[in-house]
Amino acid sequence: DAGITQSPRHKVTETGTPVTLRCHQTENHRYMYWYRQDPGHGLRLIHYSYGVKDTDKGEVSDGYSVSRSKTEDFLLTLESATSSQTSVYFCAISGGQGYGYTFGSGTRLTVV
Amino acid sequence: DQQVKQNSPSLSVQEGRISILNCDYTNSMFDYFLWYKKYPAEGPTFLISISSIKDKNEDGRFTVFLNKSAKHLSLHIVPSQPGDSAVYFCAASGKTSYDKVIFGPGTSLSVIP
Repeated sequence: DAGITQSPRHKVTETGTPVTLRCHQTENHRYMYWYRQDPGHGLRLIHYSYGVKDTDKGEVSDGYSVSRSKTEDFLLTLESATSSQTSVYFCAISGGQGYGYTFGSGTRLTVV
Repeated sequence: DQQVKQNSPSLSVQEGRISILNCDYTNSMFDYFLWYKKYPAEGPTFLISISSIKDKNEDGRFTVFLNKSAKHLSLHIVPSQPGDSAVYFCAASGKTSYDKVIFGPGTSLSVIP
């Protein structure tokens, strides 16, 4: 996970509270992604970004928003956390098609 | 409806033998296929990829085979080592950088010493 860090690594929050996860990269890559990993589902794309202020929805975007004001930072916000959003969240970066994604170490989020 | 399927949730193999992990996909527009490996408490790491214009790509002990007509790919690990024990994700994407990578549910491989 050199060049990409996620914070926090672990978080427990209460239902209904907003939560923001941060992804920071030092690779100057254009593309950044947020995935969630759940048993039986693999990795599902939440939102992605193809440049500063350019973001788009993935397959499981409901209840999530993102922002990218700088190339190096991609923030994922759970506007009002629910128990169904308990998951492990991974950020990934990419230099473009043909390059494998580099993933961060993940954030384990528990909503109680 | 899953576009990338890995029908074996788990696989056990003896050390030194071949591990074969299978993956099927439904979208004929996929152009690029990848395998990722994931250890517990870590992020997935890129392992090997193959373009749709090829039917085989090899990197050391890892070989990926692509059968486009069957919409099937497989990852072969020879010889298998205990350190290969991990979850393996198959993934696929389209032709452009804007195409998202779609991941399968993963197969947990255990290599028994």
